[in-house]
Amino acid sequence: DIQLTQSPSLLSASVGDRVTIICRASQGIASDLAWYQKKGGEAPKLLIFAASILQSGVPSRFSGSGFGTEFSLAITGLQPDDVATYYCQHPSTYRPTFGPGTKVDI
Amino acid sequence: QVHLVESGGGVVQPGRSLRLSCAASGFTFRTYSFHWVRQTPAKGLEWLAFISKDGNNKYYPDSVEGRFTISRDNAKNTLFLQMDTLTTDDTAVYYCARDGDRWIDYVPYHPMDVWGRGTTVTVSS
Repeated sequence: DIQLTQSPSLLSASVGDRVTIICRASQGIASDLAWYQKKGGEAPKLLIFAASILQSGVPSRFSGSGFGTEFSLAITGLQPDDVATYYCQHPSTYRPTFGPGTKVDI
Repeated sequence: QVHLVESGGGVVQPGRSLRLSCAASGFTFRTYSFHWVRQTPAKGLEWLAFISKDGNNKYYPDSVEGRFTISRDNAKNTLFLQMDTLTTDDTAVYYCARDGDRWIDYVPYHPMDVWGRGTTVTVSS
């Protein structure tokens, strides 16, 4: 099974900062990686799929990059509304895998 | 508006069963595959089950294989998760999620593009 790791596990930054979260896969997955935002009692929200494609309606301050085994999610101009836990995911139909999450606060 | 609404959660004793439902609206239910995912403080997000558009293909991780069963009723736009022999480790918030069938440069991708708000299952004696 493909394992995903994320770093850091906790990220504290200021409003307006550029922050980056790293996700590493245990084996190459081409560009088959998604990013989700999870806030408190809300439903998880898809931000990015295919490593770099922004989901419709997601603010352009979010961006994704990477290929193979190393990926990143960047937030350019952190906003108070971005306080959440962010998860990477390898969205295989047969065995989707999530990373452990990165908690972002201000 | 596209919506998924889970129901059926509650408090249940260890060893008992529970059936969760997920009602879909705002899109053509039968043209999508679906997943169940749960969240716990200890494990974060954990994938539980997948079902294809016609219900003929189902996949589970080893952790719930044989105890959990996913099913769907395309006539009623509803997804189900039957959970048997529950343990305290199954205490979690359970989400249904739509499998978004996207094609980029002739390559298929399957992000979970629509999620419900979840239903809470507590397994306790």
